[in-house]
Amino acid sequence: DVKVTQSSRYLVKRTGEKVFLECVQDMDHENMFWYRQDPGLGLRLIYFSYDVKMKEKGDIPEGYSVSREKKERFSLILESASTNQTSMYLCASSFSFGQGNTEAFFGQGTRLTVV
Amino acid sequence: AQSVSQHNHHVILSEAASLELGCNYSYGGTVNLFWYVQYPGQHLQLLLKYFSGDPLVKGIKGFEAEFIKSKFSFNLRKPSVQWSDTAEYFCAVIIVYNFNKFYFGSGTKLNVKP
Repeated sequence: DVKVTQSSRYLVKRTGEKVFLECVQDMDHENMFWYRQDPGLGLRLIYFSYDVKMKEKGDIPEGYSVSREKKERFSLILESASTNQTSMYLCASSFSFGQGNTEAFFGQGTRLTVV
Repeated sequence: AQSVSQHNHHVILSEAASLELGCNYSYGGTVNLFWYVQYPGQHLQLLLKYFSGDPLVKGIKGFEAEFIKSKFSFNLRKPSVQWSDTAEYFCAVIIVYNFNKFYFGSGTKLNVKP
């Protein structure tokens, strides 16, 4: 069974803090994704990585950065947390090539509250 | 930019009613298509997927979806919903040969009344 594990289910941080969200997958997937999920807005892609040290901006990268030093781990960094970054953050992974095995697997999500 | 549109944001049905959720995408090349479901308090999980062959695909829990290439659509259907189908449903598309990057729709919340 594929597992995508996010380090925290719930986080409360103060405005201005640097926040790290960690994600680990055990399926040797090339792709890893960070999304935020907000009511009525669905899943919005923050950053995408298709290989170690490779990253691509998604639709809403402002205020975020990412790190992928190892294939299995993808970190999302909020450089200076703000209240409008209060959200549910979802990590996902998938293979980057091929057709029949391309589905994404999701972690449980991290609900971040910035106060 | 690629986009995925889900036209129904919130659907309320009674048990045993039939369900159809619309999904359209904007890319004309080779795509793989997915429906994901998120039950309350749970993580997103795959409901069904299409990548080639028969455009009518069957998924878990009695769901099916039909890929109509000419309409750029991948609508989700279930003949008779149950209270346990209450969840949020997301359509997703990947553009094949573009690192299989996922594009998601905005989601449809389904409430099934017992």
